[in-house]
Amino acid sequence: DAGVTQSPTHLIKTRGQQVTLRCSPKSGHDTVSWYQQALGQGPQFIFQYYEEEERQRGNFPDRFSGHQFPNYSSELNVNALLLGDSALYLCASNLRADPTDTQYFGPGTRLTVL
Amino acid sequence: QKEVEQNSGPLSVPEGAIASLNCTYSDRGSQSFFWYRQYSGKSPELIMSIYSNGDKEDGRFTAQLNKASQYVSLLIRDSQPSDSATYLCAVNKSYQKVTFGTGTKLQVIP
Repeated sequence: DAGVTQSPTHLIKTRGQQVTLRCSPKSGHDTVSWYQQALGQGPQFIFQYYEEEERQRGNFPDRFSGHQFPNYSSELNVNALLLGDSALYLCASNLRADPTDTQYFGPGTRLTVL
Repeated sequence: QKEVEQNSGPLSVPEGAIASLNCTYSDRGSQSFFWYRQYSGKSPELIMSIYSNGDKEDGRFTAQLNKASQYVSLLIRDSQPSDSATYLCAVNKSYQKVTFGTGTKLQVIP
């Protein structure tokens, strides 16, 4: 049973650049959520995708955008990178029909902005 | 008021003792409650989920939920050094975003 996978593991970018992070959900899951976790903080919700549409969005600027593909995998794009975007980016998946709403996390992508 | 509040710790307990981790939440419409464990530099790992008032036990872990008091806790019995990690409380309403606390750092002293 394949778990949630993310790529790349680590990424170093400079201010102003753009980045794309990728996520494949756990087998059988159809919903993907993205979180940003700064050092010493809990994960902060960025947005959630279901049926290839953004369903929920947290308090993040439009520089953060995403996409979900027909195979349920997802991308997170961040434009015009700022130093403050340095964080661990987590992808979590769940099955929309599961009333428990239990999310399972991938290993994360560590983004460093210089 | 934060949506989900946890004491950041560190909470230090001796090996073999009971560790008690607490969490309060502000949204009375919350329906699902989760405890995740996160080792340094790693992603959160689900430990327990609870949906109704009362206790739920799984091995050495017991989650307790009191919706009237908007309070959820996690007890770890027979604490081991390998339990040393940050424990994240997470709260959800159906089909809504999951909101996390900042986490409590637990240190189990051998």
